[in-house]
Amino acid sequence: DAKTTQPPSMDCAEGRAANLPCNHSTISGNEYVYWYRQIHSQGPQYIIHGLKNNETNEMASLIITEDRKSSTLILPHATLRDTAVYYCIVRVASGGYQKVTFGTGTKLQVIP
Amino acid sequence: SQTIHQWPATLVQPVGSPLSLECTVEGTSNPNLYWYRQAAGRGLQLLFYSVGIGQISSEVPQNLSASRPQDRQFILSSKKLLLSDSGFYLCALGQGHSNEQFFGPGTRLTVL
Repeated sequence: DAKTTQPPSMDCAEGRAANLPCNHSTISGNEYVYWYRQIHSQGPQYIIHGLKNNETNEMASLIITEDRKSSTLILPHATLRDTAVYYCIVRVASGGYQKVTFGTGTKLQVIP
Repeated sequence: SQTIHQWPATLVQPVGSPLSLECTVEGTSNPNLYWYRQAAGRGLQLLFYSVGIGQISSEVPQNLSASRPQDRQFILSSKKLLLSDSGFYLCALGQGHSNEQFFGPGTRLTVL
């Protein structure tokens, strides 16, 4: 699996958009970008994933650059409950075993 | 929808004692199951994965073992705990075309 690079921490004002970047310059053609978040003392929660097109769901939007070497997770209106560690990972998306490597992620602090 | 149960939620054990953590899943069949550990301030580390009953693969050498006696049951064990085994243990399942992973609530283990 390709490695990812994320800033260790970010602050965001409540109600504003939170933009979390991720670099994955060694991503290969069949690897997807996945985002998870982990609120303190809980298990990680799946947020969104994508291959090359931008994706949006009820939680967030995912913007992937044309060369796929980086992406940005956007929380359009951050709330205090969005304070968590956000993990960006890349991996192939096929059935069977999936080795997933989680780095240390970005600790997002939403400020009132 | 899938549900992942883990117990116990917290556990304090002395060094050298045995360990058994259980994970059961509902709402799915023949899932891929994973055990992760998260040490304090660190990312998630994949310990074991299983693609079916009795099929276990280990990612890192350690004094832990895993078993899958039933399709929806995944057990993490140790004969003698070490201080370094302390951490947050997460069971996850992967399913579907994208094999996105869903995580259980976790077990916080403290070895004294």
